[in-house]
Amino acid sequence: EAGVAQSPRYKIIEKRQSVAFWCNPISGHATLYWYQQILGQGPKLLIQFQNNGVVDDSQLPKDRFSAERLKGVDSTLKIQPAKLEDSAVYLCASSLEAAGPEQFFGPGTRLTVL
Amino acid sequence: QKEVEQDPGPLSVPEGAIVSLNCTYSNSAFQYFMWYRQYSRKGPELLMYTYSSGNKEDGRFTAQVDKSSKYISLFIRDSQPSDSATYLCAMSSIGGSNYKLTFGKGTLLTVNP
Repeated sequence: EAGVAQSPRYKIIEKRQSVAFWCNPISGHATLYWYQQILGQGPKLLIQFQNNGVVDDSQLPKDRFSAERLKGVDSTLKIQPAKLEDSAVYLCASSLEAAGPEQFFGPGTRLTVL
Repeated sequence: QKEVEQDPGPLSVPEGAIVSLNCTYSNSAFQYFMWYRQYSRKGPELLMYTYSSGNKEDGRFTAQVDKSSKYISLFIRDSQPSDSATYLCAMSSIGGSNYKLTFGKGTLLTVNP
């Protein structure tokens, strides 16, 4: 079974630029999550999708972050414009609907904002 | 007060030692208690999870939950250099079919050969 795929693995941008991250969840997983992990911290949930719909985006900074999930499969997370404090690893995870709390994580995208 | 508190370490032990990792929490609604392992430059992977109180054992790993004290532990017996990683505790309440995880900061463990 293929795992969660993310790209790019690394990205360096200047502040005020825009950036986009892509995630392909495990086949058949209805729920998809985007997390932000700042160095030395645990992952923090940004947004949760159930199929096409948003379940929870309460911690997503909506003035600069946006996310969408196309046809209930792939997802993109965008930051525009980026700030220095957005430097972090962006993790995508997926899970089976109503199958318990286990979430499967991708390798993450490491973003550096200069 | 943060919902989940975890000592970030770092923790350095010799090979073969017993390792104890701990988290405390404040939200009484948490029902699932998880331990994730994260190697450098990788995503977290689930080691084990426990529903409500009690112990759970999987090979060299034992998870304990004490809901009365709001305290969870992960024990690693006969630690190996391959156990060197960051260990994240995570907790979730139940909301329908949605499980929102709240993570601790993670404890960096190094097992020296």
